[in-house]
Amino acid sequence: AQTVTQSQPEMSVQEAETVTLSCTYDTSESDYYLFWYKQPPSRQMILVIRQEAYKQQNATENRFSVNFQKAAKSFSLKISDSQLGDAAMYFCAYRSPSGGSNYKLTFGKGTLLTVNP
Amino acid sequence: EAGVTQSPTHLIKTRGQQATLRCSPISGHTSVYWYQQALGLGLQFLLWYDEGEERNRGNFPPRFSGRQFPNYSSELNVNALELEDSALYLCASSLLQSSYNEQFFGPGTRLTVL
Repeated sequence: AQTVTQSQPEMSVQEAETVTLSCTYDTSESDYYLFWYKQPPSRQMILVIRQEAYKQQNATENRFSVNFQKAAKSFSLKISDSQLGDAAMYFCAYRSPSGGSNYKLTFGKGTLLTVNP
Repeated sequence: EAGVTQSPTHLIKTRGQQATLRCSPISGHTSVYWYQQALGLGLQFLLWYDEGEERNRGNFPPRFSGRQFPNYSSELNVNALELEDSALYLCASSLLQSSYNEQFFGPGTRLTVL
């Protein structure tokens, strides 16, 4: 079974600074999908960024980018120019390749990000 | 385009009762997923429905059940409620044919069991 580990329960960053959230995972599959979700206090989970394992290029979405290291099974999220609205719980999630009955997401425990003005 | 909707927002029940939670997916999405977010346990996969059929279930007892209707909306039923069922229940929807099959989440139902 796949597992996802987020080793930083809490992180803080100054507004306009850069912060990196860590995520590692364990899998024996060669192709899979990785996601970062954000859950603000309003509870609504929002997809931040996604990465498919066979794509070497790191995904980027505006101020959010990932450092995907397949051999190390690492998938960290970098937030540049942090804004107050970035404050939330961030979850790393893994999904097995398409097909069969494995469309569930396996989540890490989350990292609570505080942004200080 | 409307997102995933869930009702009710909050639900308070007593131990032993039954709870019914509802989810409407994004228009065009045929898959609905249910997750439990309990304090200290993180997000745990409960059930996945697609095209009206249960496709996969997580490691939860049979008193957690559900169904998907012809319009792809879904219901989660929890029978014989226990105190530890208190949690935020999140519903997500997706379109299996999309390249990443991203799951889009609703705002959740907060279930409190007294």
